[in-house]
Amino acid sequence: GESVGLHLPTLSVQEGDNSIINCAYSNSASDYFIWYKQESGKGPQFIIDIRSNMDKRQGQRVTVLLNKTVKHLSLQIAATQPGDSAVYFCAETSGSRLTFGEGTQLTVNP
Amino acid sequence: SAVISQKPSRDICQRGTSLTIQCQVDSQVTMMFWYRQQPGQSLTLIATANQGSEATYESGFVIDKFPISRPNLTFSTLTVSNMSPEDSSIYLCSVGRTGAYNEQFFGPGTRLTVL
Repeated sequence: GESVGLHLPTLSVQEGDNSIINCAYSNSASDYFIWYKQESGKGPQFIIDIRSNMDKRQGQRVTVLLNKTVKHLSLQIAATQPGDSAVYFCAETSGSRLTFGEGTQLTVNP
Repeated sequence: SAVISQKPSRDICQRGTSLTIQCQVDSQVTMMFWYRQQPGQSLTLIATANQGSEATYESGFVIDKFPISRPNLTFSTLTVSNMSPEDSSIYLCSVGRTGAYNEQFFGPGTRLTVL
């Protein structure tokens, strides 16, 4: 039978702009929150993680913010480049498993 | 990070047949995981494959449908049995360290289409 895929939330930005990708979570007992990047035809690639007792962590061109009060996680990408075009997934760990959230399709326009 | 390869990279199979997917890592790892990613969707954990013990399956996944082997610390297989079109997905393996489930690294995936 025909399979129908869900339409991912999308974000379209101009090259050089900053991007902000958001994620809501529901598990208050999560230990870590992680952002993955998945390019077409590839497996997810680890970008950055943040421990649940932190509210901000910075990497190279990326910053993750965690707001536990409203259970919200965001990924900020500075000076977005065409190579940043991909699907971005948030994920969380609690216990012995990694649970993925809904992805966001980021498109960077030249 | 570990280098992970999967075979086959893609396959088209007939309904009712089975396919075994291989996952090979270039270093010894304690934890290996298998995920399914249905078209346009996120990843769902199928099972955790531990060397020397039975795989641990998540709710909704059973051993008869998805038997897993983990003969050593660098290799695992996932079999998709008695396939139907609903099994068309990308199947991914990942590796990690015990207690560090936030640090998982993924293989490139196997894209399966069932006709």
